[in-house]
Amino acid sequence: AQSVAQPEDQVNVAEGNPLTVKCTYSVSGNPYLFWYVQYPNRGLQFLLKYITGDNLVKGSYGFEAEFNKSQTSFHLKKPSALVSDSALYFCAVRDDGNTGKLIFGQGTTLQVKP
Amino acid sequence: EADIYQTPRYLVIGTGKKITLECSQTMGHDKMYWYQQDPGMELHLIHYSYGVNSTEKGDLSSESTVSRIRTEHFPLTLESARPSHTSQYLCASSEWTSGPGDTQYFGPGTRLTVL
Repeated sequence: AQSVAQPEDQVNVAEGNPLTVKCTYSVSGNPYLFWYVQYPNRGLQFLLKYITGDNLVKGSYGFEAEFNKSQTSFHLKKPSALVSDSALYFCAVRDDGNTGKLIFGQGTTLQVKP
Repeated sequence: EADIYQTPRYLVIGTGKKITLECSQTMGHDKMYWYQQDPGMELHLIHYSYGVNSTEKGDLSSESTVSRIRTEHFPLTLESARPSHTSQYLCASSEWTSGPGDTQYFGPGTRLTVL
C-alpha cells in the first residue's frame, strides 16, 4: 500500500534562514508526489508535484522539492523563509489504483519566527 | 486560488438534523472528491466521483452520501448528524487525464460542529 510519512510534527526556523520539511514515501510502483500548504481555516493550496523527470521540482511561492529515489524522500525546501510561510504542510502520494486519490501524511507545522 | 467553492464555511447544528454541504467548481473538472480532516490532522478520502452519475465510497467509512447530477456540483449529505460527525470537510476536483499528473485543487472547507 502507498504511504507517506512526515517525521516532524513541527519545524521552527528563523526568518531569512533556509527551511526543510521532510517527507518519505513508500510505493509499489512509480511515485507521484505532491506538496500542499494549509493556512488556518483554509483549504489546501497546491505547491508542487513530482511525476517524472528532473529530481528538483520548483513550485509556488519560492518553494522547491528534491526527489531522491534511493532515500525514498521528497523533502520540501525554501532558501529563505518568510514569516508568512508559517502554516501546515502536507506531503501526499497518489494512490496506485484507479481512483486518483491522494494519500496524505500527517502534516508538519512550520513556524517561522521574525 | 482554484475556482472551487464550499458552503457553508462554518456550521453548528444539533444532533439528528439533516444537513447538506455544498461544493461547486467552475473549472469543468470531471473528478471530484470529499475528504474529512480532523483539526491539524491528515486528510482521509470519504467519497469520490469520476463524472456525472458516478459516485464511489472512499477509504474512511462515512455515514454521509453524495450525488453528482451536474459536472460542477458535488454535494455531501448527512441524513442525521451526530457529534461524531464533527470535523472539517474538504472538497477537491481534478481534470480527468489518462496519466497520473492531474492535480487536485481544494475548496476552503466546511467546518462542521454537531452538538
